[in-house]
Amino acid sequence: QMQLQESGPGLVKPSETLSLTCNVSGGSITTPGYYWGWIRQPPGKGLEWIGNIYYSGSIYYNPSLRSRLTISSDSSKNQFSLRLSSVTAADTALYYCARLRPDNLAYDAFDIWGQGTMVTVSS
Amino acid sequence: IQMTQSPSSLSASVGDRVTITCRASQTIMKYLHWYQQKPGKVPKVVISATSNLESGVPSRFSGSGSGTDFTLTITNLQPEDFATYYCQQSYSTPFTFGPGTKVDI
Repeated sequence: QMQLQESGPGLVKPSETLSLTCNVSGGSITTPGYYWGWIRQPPGKGLEWIGNIYYSGSIYYNPSLRSRLTISSDSSKNQFSLRLSSVTAADTALYYCARLRPDNLAYDAFDIWGQGTMVTVSS
Repeated sequence: IQMTQSPSSLSASVGDRVTITCRASQTIMKYLHWYQQKPGKVPKVVISATSNLESGVPSRFSGSGSGTDFTLTITNLQPEDFATYYCQQSYSTPFTFGPGTKVDI
């Protein structure tokens, strides 16, 4: 079955750029209708949506992160990525990638999640 | 769209019926989903689109509502149901999650 796996540095210095990749196995990111998303969770806190991407290029960002955020995908590698610049301690969180199911009018739920990768912002 | 949940936490016993409420700041039609997250684990969708029971989720979980007000109900609460539950809207971006409801013993 489909699996998602996040990878990237666990420690990033303040003001630097956080880069994560989500590798998808057991299915293709080019499957029509499916978006792919990033969600984060600061330690002991709730879930925050970061953004979604469709393999053909349609991207949606959380406005609170938009100025620092880039989400991209690589169909040849069956993966999608996140880059968050100028990080601060507030960006310390468990970062998840997930599959977003399609719906006729809007979007459905995130039905498959990666295990998450913890990123700490500290000097 | 802002999402609120009530209560923020509740204590219950095995066999109890538990109800969690989620409210959206504007209509989200049916686009409300419920996730269960156990400590140290990945969130798992239990109810999608207001009332669709996800595959493999016990039938003691149910969801209802429409527009702005939604409910997750767990009947005959089981030990494995103790977790934090989040609602999330996917009607429009930015997607937003509720702050969570912790269900403990």
